[in-house]
Amino acid sequence: KAGVTQTPRYLIKTRGQQVTLSCSPISGHRSVSWYQQTPGQGLQFLFEYFSETQRNKGNFPGRFSGRQFSNSRSEMNVSTLELGDSALYLCASSLVGTSGRYEQYFGPGTRLTVT
Amino acid sequence: LAKTTQPISMDSYEGQEVNITCSHNNIATNDYITWYQQFPSQGPRFIIQGYKTKVTNEVASLFIPADRKSSTLSLPRVSLSDTAVYYCLVYTDKLIFGTGTRLQVFP
Repeated sequence: KAGVTQTPRYLIKTRGQQVTLSCSPISGHRSVSWYQQTPGQGLQFLFEYFSETQRNKGNFPGRFSGRQFSNSRSEMNVSTLELGDSALYLCASSLVGTSGRYEQYFGPGTRLTVT
Repeated sequence: LAKTTQPISMDSYEGQEVNITCSHNNIATNDYITWYQQFPSQGPRFIIQGYKTKVTNEVASLFIPADRKSSTLSLPRVSLSDTAVYYCLVYTDKLIFGTGTRLQVFP
């Protein structure tokens, strides 16, 4: 079965712009989580969506937002981009959610560069 | 919220067994312990998950002592392709990654 897909894979934006990243989970998975990975901060949890509702949120400013559609596909939006937003953005899907007994499947990520 | 502590890096040679230990002193009763592997420019990949004692799958074993304050990922007979960063995680209501252990396997 197809894995988690993320589009685009690479993106270059300038400061002040906004960006939308897309994630398609594995078929049947209803939970989608987003993570930011940078060399300095490592992997950080952004938020999780389950059945179109945000269920968990990390410690990121309001410029970072997301949504989930009825087909479980998810989008993440970052407004007013800053240089520090340059990172690998990872999406992960799981069958039910981020509870202990269910593993998450990660996509390849979107590499965002802000200049 | 439980946090994990792992060695920053480890070196090994092909064919050796590698054990990576993770400390999670503040683990809660319902928390599971999970390990992920990540290659450069790729998303993390699930390796193994356990709650107590020992779990084994086709790629690794996970040893968890009775107090569950630590866990050890065991990779039997590593190869060059096992060179990656390994993350130990304790599941609560969200997935919080630690800093990971960078494993370098030499020929």
